[in-house]
Parts: sequence; C-alpha cells; structure tokens
Amino acid sequence: QQPVQSPQAVILREGEDAVINCSSSKALYSVHWYRQKHGEAPVFLMILLKGGEQKGHDKISASFNEKKQQSSLYLTASQLSYSGTYFCGTEMNTDKLIFGTGTRLQVFP
Amino acid sequence: GAVVSQHPSWVICKSGTSVKIECRSLDFQATTMFWYRQFPKQSLMLMATSNEGSKATYEQGVEKDKFLINHASLTLSTLTVTSAHPEDSSFYICSALRGPMVTEAFFGQGTRLTVV
Repeated sequence: QQPVQSPQAVILREGEDAVINCSSSKALYSVHWYRQKHGEAPVFLMILLKGGEQKGHDKISASFNEKKQQSSLYLTASQLSYSGTYFCGTEMNTDKLIFGTGTRLQVFP
Repeated sequence: GAVVSQHPSWVICKSGTSVKIECRSLDFQATTMFWYRQFPKQSLMLMATSNEGSKATYEQGVEKDKFLINHASLTLSTLTVTSAHPEDSSFYICSALRGPMVTEAFFGQGTRLTVV
C-alpha cells in the first residue's frame, strides 16, 4: 500500500521547475509532503485534505486530485536549498502515516 | 512548531546487546507516536504505532519481541532494539501527533544505530 512517487530522481539547475507525483491505488484521507536532507529528520511542507485542493506557499505548491488518489508537488524557480529527498505521506483513515517511495532532487548552480 | 526530541542521535553497540531510543514531545501531549526505520537511500518504513497506555501496534513483518515499544506517558515513547545484530543498523525516527487526527506529524531528529 506504499504510495509510488515519480520520478525517482531529478536533477535541476537553479531557477528550473520540477513536478513530483505521488500515486495510490486507493483513495486517501490526506496527503502530506515532506523534504528530508541527508541524515536529518523530514521537514513538513504541507498537507492536503480535500479532493481538488490546491495550496502552496512561496514557490512550492501542491495539488490533490478529485479522486484523492494522486497528488503532485510543484517546485518553481528552484533554489539550491530545495535539494533533498521529497516524500509524500499518506493516510487512509487509519491514523497511520505511510510514506511514498521518495524522489531525490538535486539542484545545481 | 511543536518540538519532538529523540535521544540518542547516534549509537554504536556490539552485536547481541540491547539499545534503547527515547522519543519525547517537549511542548505538547502526544497520544500517538510512530516509529519508522530508514535504510540508506530508501523511504521511511513504518514499524509500529505507539499509543499511550496501551500495547503498540506493529506493522506486518516487524518483530514485536525484538523491537520493544513502551509509551508510558503522554510525552515519552521508547523503542528498545533487543539483541541487536548488524542487519538492525539503520536510521530510526520517531514522530508524534498532537491530536487524534493526522494533521502535521512532528519528527524527532532520528537515531543512527550501528551494530558491530
């Protein structure tokens, strides 16, 4: 039941955009997005609860499709600090947070 | 945001010994805490859900006799890796929920366990 993320890895130059997808075979109660730097704990980015929801802050935003089986994270005008591994975390009304397969993002100058 | 403290940050132990990892919510009461394990370049895999005052719920494939979880208070959960072996070497991370619903999960700093 682990959500599948795509792509597995992305390499960007500063200022470029990226989209990371998170897909589940079943409808989700919510989807979280986290970024993890090597050797550190994940850092919360945002949570989406409603089908069709879109939200964001600064240059990072996310969407949750109507069927609540897919979410996308949008990174625009990427910065060096965006480098890390991005995980979606999903909950299926069980109060358990299950993480996706992860997407490694590397931003170069 | 809320603070979750995990201790120790890293530990090296001999094969066959036991290691205890603590997870504390410093400024809120956590009714539920989660324990994850992460191998290099892999995702965080949920090991167990820890509820205050009750037995932990383990995920399929996780040995409950090997990974002992105790959630004795609303601010403290512990994970004890018993009779550790080199294959138990991993990054262990706890997270805590502030309320009954999953909103934002707050993570500890993680513990790097190396069994030699």
